[in-house]
Amino acid sequence: GAVVSQHPSWVICKSGTSVKIECRSLDFQATTMFWYRQFPKQSLMLMATSNEGSKATYEQGVEKDKFLINHASLTLSTLTVTSAHPEDSSFYICSVREGTLEAFFGQGTRLTVV
Amino acid sequence: AQSVAQPEDQVNVAEGNPLTVKCTYSVSGNPYLFWYVQYPNRGLQFLLKYITGDNLVKGSYGFEAEFNKSQTSFHLKKPSALVSDSALYFCAVRDRGGANNLFFGTGTRLTVIP
Repeated sequence: GAVVSQHPSWVICKSGTSVKIECRSLDFQATTMFWYRQFPKQSLMLMATSNEGSKATYEQGVEKDKFLINHASLTLSTLTVTSAHPEDSSFYICSVREGTLEAFFGQGTRLTVV
Repeated sequence: AQSVAQPEDQVNVAEGNPLTVKCTYSVSGNPYLFWYVQYPNRGLQFLLKYITGDNLVKGSYGFEAEFNKSQTSFHLKKPSALVSDSALYFCAVRDRGGANNLFFGTGTRLTVIP
Protein backbone atom coordinates (compact mmCIF):
# COMPACT_ATOMS: atom_id res chain seq x y z
CA GLY A 1 0.00 0.00 0.00
CA ALA A 2 0.89 3.64 -0.19
CA VAL A 3 3.33 5.06 2.33
CA VAL A 4 2.23 8.33 3.89
CA SER A 5 4.46 10.43 6.10
CA GLN A 6 3.40 13.33 8.31
CA HIS A 7 5.64 15.91 9.86
CA PRO A 8 5.94 16.83 12.61
CA SER A 9 4.71 13.98 14.78
CA TRP A 10 4.01 16.38 17.59
CA VAL A 11 4.18 20.12 18.07
CA ILE A 12 3.59 22.53 20.93
CA CYS A 13 2.89 26.13 20.07
CA LYS A 14 1.82 29.30 21.80
CA SER A 15 -1.70 30.58 21.45
CA GLY A 16 -2.01 32.96 18.51
CA THR A 17 0.76 31.45 16.44
CA SER A 18 0.38 29.36 13.29
CA VAL A 19 1.47 25.79 12.76
CA LYS A 20 2.08 23.97 9.49
CA ILE A 21 1.66 20.20 9.19
CA GLU A 22 3.01 18.37 6.16
CA CYS A 23 1.61 15.22 4.61
CA ARG A 24 3.74 13.44 2.04
CA SER A 25 2.85 10.49 -0.15
CA LEU A 26 6.22 8.82 -0.49
CA ASP A 27 5.57 6.26 -3.20
CA PHE A 28 2.36 7.34 -4.82
CA GLN A 29 1.18 10.40 -6.68
CA ALA A 30 -1.91 11.52 -4.86
CA THR A 31 -4.25 13.91 -6.62
CA THR A 32 -6.44 13.81 -3.54
CA MET A 33 -5.53 13.76 0.12
CA PHE A 34 -7.82 13.85 3.12
CA TRP A 35 -7.32 15.66 6.41
CA TYR A 36 -8.92 14.34 9.58
CA ARG A 37 -9.09 15.53 13.15
CA GLN A 38 -9.38 13.23 16.12
CA PHE A 39 -10.29 14.30 19.64
CA PRO A 40 -9.34 12.10 22.59
CA LYS A 41 -11.38 8.93 22.74
CA GLN A 42 -13.35 9.97 19.68
CA SER A 43 -13.48 8.98 16.07
CA LEU A 44 -11.88 10.64 13.10
CA MET A 45 -13.77 13.56 11.67
CA LEU A 46 -13.09 14.55 8.09
CA MET A 47 -12.05 18.18 7.90
CA ALA A 48 -11.34 18.66 4.24
CA THR A 49 -10.43 17.03 0.97
CA SER A 50 -7.22 18.38 -0.51
CA ASN A 51 -7.08 18.51 -4.30
CA GLU A 52 -3.81 18.90 -6.15
CA GLY A 53 -3.66 22.18 -7.99
CA SER A 54 -7.03 23.43 -6.83
CA LYS A 55 -8.86 24.60 -3.75
CA ALA A 56 -9.62 22.20 -0.95
CA THR A 57 -13.15 21.11 -0.22
CA TYR A 58 -14.05 21.70 3.41
CA GLU A 59 -16.62 19.85 5.46
CA GLN A 60 -19.47 21.73 7.01
CA GLY A 61 -18.43 23.56 10.14
CA VAL A 62 -14.72 23.64 9.32
CA GLU A 63 -13.33 27.16 9.00
CA LYS A 64 -11.39 27.37 5.77
CA ASP A 65 -9.63 30.55 6.85
CA LYS A 66 -8.43 28.91 10.02
CA PHE A 67 -7.36 25.60 8.53
CA LEU A 68 -5.49 26.49 5.37
CA ILE A 69 -4.80 23.61 3.02
CA ASN A 70 -2.33 23.69 0.17
CA HIS A 71 -1.84 20.77 -2.21
CA ALA A 72 0.82 22.14 -4.51
CA SER A 73 2.21 18.85 -5.78
CA LEU A 74 1.14 15.25 -6.21
CA THR A 75 3.17 14.21 -3.20
CA LEU A 76 2.65 16.98 -0.69
CA SER A 77 -0.31 18.54 1.06
CA THR A 78 0.01 20.95 3.95
CA LEU A 79 -2.43 21.95 6.67
CA THR A 80 -1.77 25.25 8.41
CA VAL A 81 -3.60 25.98 11.63
CA THR A 82 -3.67 29.76 11.76
CA SER A 83 -3.86 31.76 14.98
CA ALA A 84 -4.04 28.58 16.96
CA HIS A 85 -5.94 28.45 20.25
CA PRO A 86 -6.09 25.78 22.94
CA GLU A 87 -9.34 24.41 21.51
CA ASP A 88 -7.43 23.56 18.33
CA SER A 89 -5.33 21.09 20.27
CA SER A 90 -6.00 17.74 18.70
CA PHE A 91 -4.58 14.85 16.70
CA TYR A 92 -4.50 15.61 12.98
CA ILE A 93 -4.19 12.79 10.46
CA CYS A 94 -3.91 12.80 6.68
CA SER A 95 -4.67 10.00 4.26
CA VAL A 96 -4.43 9.09 0.59
CA ARG A 97 -6.28 6.55 -1.49
CA GLU A 98 -4.30 4.46 -3.93
CA GLY A 99 -6.80 3.70 -6.63
CA THR A 100 -8.17 0.72 -4.77
CA LEU A 101 -10.62 1.71 -2.15
CA GLU A 102 -8.81 1.56 1.13
CA ALA A 103 -7.13 4.65 2.47
CA PHE A 104 -3.61 4.83 3.82
CA PHE A 105 -2.88 7.12 6.71
CA GLY A 106 0.00 9.14 7.99
CA GLN A 107 1.18 8.59 11.52
CA GLY A 108 -0.61 11.69 12.71
CA THR A 109 0.42 14.98 14.30
CA ARG A 110 -0.44 15.82 17.87
CA LEU A 111 -0.89 19.57 18.23
CA THR A 112 -0.91 21.15 21.65
CA VAL A 113 -1.62 24.85 21.91
CA VAL A 114 -0.62 26.47 25.19
CA ALA B 1 -26.75 9.62 4.98
CA GLN B 2 -23.93 7.29 5.84
CA SER B 3 -23.19 6.25 9.39
CA VAL B 4 -21.31 3.61 11.29
CA ALA B 5 -22.03 2.38 14.78
CA GLN B 6 -19.63 0.57 17.06
CA PRO B 7 -21.80 -0.22 20.08
CA GLU B 8 -18.97 -1.13 22.43
CA ASP B 9 -16.47 1.46 23.61
CA GLN B 10 -14.38 -1.21 25.27
CA VAL B 11 -13.90 -4.93 24.75
CA ASN B 12 -11.82 -7.06 27.08
CA VAL B 13 -10.79 -10.59 26.20
CA ALA B 14 -8.34 -13.08 27.64
CA GLU B 15 -5.30 -13.99 25.60
CA GLY B 16 -5.97 -17.03 23.45
CA ASN B 17 -9.73 -16.55 23.46
CA PRO B 18 -11.67 -15.54 20.36
CA LEU B 19 -12.51 -11.87 20.00
CA THR B 20 -15.30 -9.98 18.29
CA VAL B 21 -15.55 -6.24 17.72
CA LYS B 22 -18.97 -5.21 16.51
CA CYS B 23 -19.89 -2.80 13.73
CA THR B 24 -23.17 -1.92 12.07
CA TYR B 25 -23.62 0.52 9.25
CA SER B 26 -26.18 2.55 7.38
CA VAL B 27 -25.78 3.64 3.77
CA SER B 28 -28.17 4.42 0.98
CA GLY B 29 -26.79 1.75 -1.33
CA ASN B 30 -24.33 -1.10 -1.18
CA PRO B 31 -21.36 -0.30 0.99
CA TYR B 32 -17.66 -0.59 0.90
CA LEU B 33 -16.63 -1.59 4.43
CA PHE B 34 -13.28 -1.35 6.17
CA TRP B 35 -11.56 -2.07 9.45
CA TYR B 36 -8.60 -0.09 10.70
CA VAL B 37 -6.46 -0.38 13.82
CA GLN B 38 -4.80 2.49 15.67
CA TYR B 39 -1.97 2.22 18.17
CA PRO B 40 -1.29 5.08 20.61
CA ASN B 41 -0.23 8.33 18.92
CA ARG B 42 -0.15 6.66 15.54
CA GLY B 43 -2.18 6.87 12.37
CA LEU B 44 -4.57 4.18 11.28
CA GLN B 45 -3.43 0.92 9.77
CA PHE B 46 -5.60 -0.90 7.25
CA LEU B 47 -6.74 -4.37 8.35
CA LEU B 48 -9.26 -5.54 5.79
CA LYS B 49 -12.07 -4.53 3.47
CA TYR B 50 -15.26 -5.83 1.97
CA ILE B 51 -15.96 -4.80 -1.60
CA THR B 52 -17.89 -7.67 -3.14
CA GLY B 53 -17.95 -11.44 -3.31
CA ASP B 54 -17.41 -13.73 -0.35
CA ASN B 55 -19.02 -12.36 2.78
CA LEU B 56 -16.12 -13.57 4.93
CA VAL B 57 -13.12 -11.37 4.44
CA LYS B 58 -9.66 -12.24 5.72
CA GLY B 59 -7.17 -9.54 6.54
CA SER B 60 -3.91 -8.75 8.25
CA TYR B 61 -2.63 -10.29 11.52
CA GLY B 62 -5.17 -13.12 11.45
CA PHE B 63 -8.23 -10.89 11.58
CA GLU B 64 -11.35 -11.54 9.58
CA ALA B 65 -14.75 -9.93 9.25
CA GLU B 66 -18.12 -11.11 8.05
CA PHE B 67 -20.40 -8.95 5.95
CA ASN B 68 -24.04 -9.54 6.81
CA LYS B 69 -26.30 -7.58 4.54
CA SER B 70 -29.56 -8.47 6.29
CA GLN B 71 -28.21 -7.31 9.64
CA THR B 72 -26.15 -4.48 8.10
CA SER B 73 -23.20 -5.64 10.15
CA PHE B 74 -19.49 -6.13 9.58
CA HIS B 75 -18.10 -7.56 12.81
CA LEU B 76 -14.36 -8.01 13.20
CA LYS B 77 -13.19 -11.35 14.55
CA LYS B 78 -10.07 -13.27 15.43
CA PRO B 79 -9.99 -16.89 16.61
CA SER B 80 -7.25 -16.41 19.19
CA ALA B 81 -6.40 -13.02 20.67
CA LEU B 82 -2.87 -11.84 21.34
CA VAL B 83 -1.78 -9.24 23.88
CA SER B 84 -0.30 -7.30 20.97
CA ASP B 85 -3.79 -6.99 19.48
CA SER B 86 -4.64 -4.47 22.20
CA ALA B 87 -5.40 -1.24 20.35
CA LEU B 88 -8.20 0.99 19.11
CA TYR B 89 -10.25 -0.43 16.25
CA PHE B 90 -12.30 1.59 13.79
CA CYS B 91 -14.94 0.43 11.38
CA ALA B 92 -15.49 2.62 8.31
CA VAL B 93 -17.93 2.74 5.42
CA ARG B 94 -18.11 4.35 2.02
CA ASP B 95 -21.14 4.45 -0.21
CA ARG B 96 -20.38 3.08 -3.69
CA GLY B 97 -22.15 5.94 -5.36
CA GLY B 98 -21.53 8.61 -2.80
CA ALA B 99 -18.77 10.87 -1.64
CA ASN B 100 -15.17 9.89 -1.88
CA ASN B 101 -14.45 9.95 1.82
CA LEU B 102 -14.75 7.38 4.56
CA PHE B 103 -17.13 7.61 7.51
CA PHE B 104 -15.75 6.16 10.70
CA GLY B 105 -17.33 4.63 13.75
CA THR B 106 -16.44 5.94 17.19
CA GLY B 107 -13.91 3.21 17.77
CA THR B 108 -13.66 0.25 20.13
CA ARG B 109 -10.76 -0.16 22.49
CA LEU B 110 -9.69 -3.78 22.63
CA THR B 111 -7.72 -4.96 25.62
CA VAL B 112 -6.31 -8.46 25.59
CA ILE B 113 -5.54 -9.65 29.08
CA PRO B 114 -2.51 -11.91 29.53
